[in-house]
Amino acid sequence: GAGVSQSPRYKVAKRGQDVALRCDPISGHVSLFWYQQALGQGPEFLTYFQNEAQLDKSGLPSDRFFAERPEGSVSTLKIQRTQQEDSAVYLCASSPGRVAASYEQYFGPGTRLTVT
Amino acid sequence: EDKVVQSPLSLVVHEGDTVTLNCSYEVTNFRSLLWYKQEKKAPTFLFMLTSSGIEKKSGRLSSILDKKELFSILNITATQTGDSAVYLCATTTSGTYKYIFGTGTRLKVLA
Repeated sequence: GAGVSQSPRYKVAKRGQDVALRCDPISGHVSLFWYQQALGQGPEFLTYFQNEAQLDKSGLPSDRFFAERPEGSVSTLKIQRTQQEDSAVYLCASSPGRVAASYEQYFGPGTRLTVT
Repeated sequence: EDKVVQSPLSLVVHEGDTVTLNCSYEVTNFRSLLWYKQEKKAPTFLFMLTSSGIEKKSGRLSSILDKKELFSILNITATQTGDSAVYLCATTTSGTYKYIFGTGTRLKVLA
């Protein structure tokens, strides 16, 4: 595809529901990042994949958050038992290289999650 | 704790003005600093800076890094309404995969 795509673009969940957010990175990109962006804030790092390996998950706020990239391409961020504080835009970004810090990231349009 | 601070938080100017956005950082094992423009949802890449004193330029935008004083500036000359956006600064560090973002500067350019 031409760029990073994410689905759904908008998700409303009732408190306590589980949600799954999908990211399709640019084809061939090795690195994939998930971020959480609250209103008026910069993106906050959640987790990083190099191909299918999750090399850094230090930003996941709790054990309710889980991410996977089983075949090294599409990634899913799952949030279990959603809470109101999970309401945010979830951004996915991909990058061509392995040494993530040496390459620019390409961001998707994000998924706006609202927990009611 | 690593942190990136941007100033001002918001700025309103008129078309044709020149603006300077600031980004200061305190990070361990600094590797690079990046600038992004965020208009609606997806931040788009502007510059990556790794060396002090070397200006990067793209059209009316330019940026420079000072690794001694731990800051970077983003200059936009002859601003246009299309420059209205949030400008984000982020740092990367050696040995980790994290990009640490500031809260952004919201720029509004009036016609």
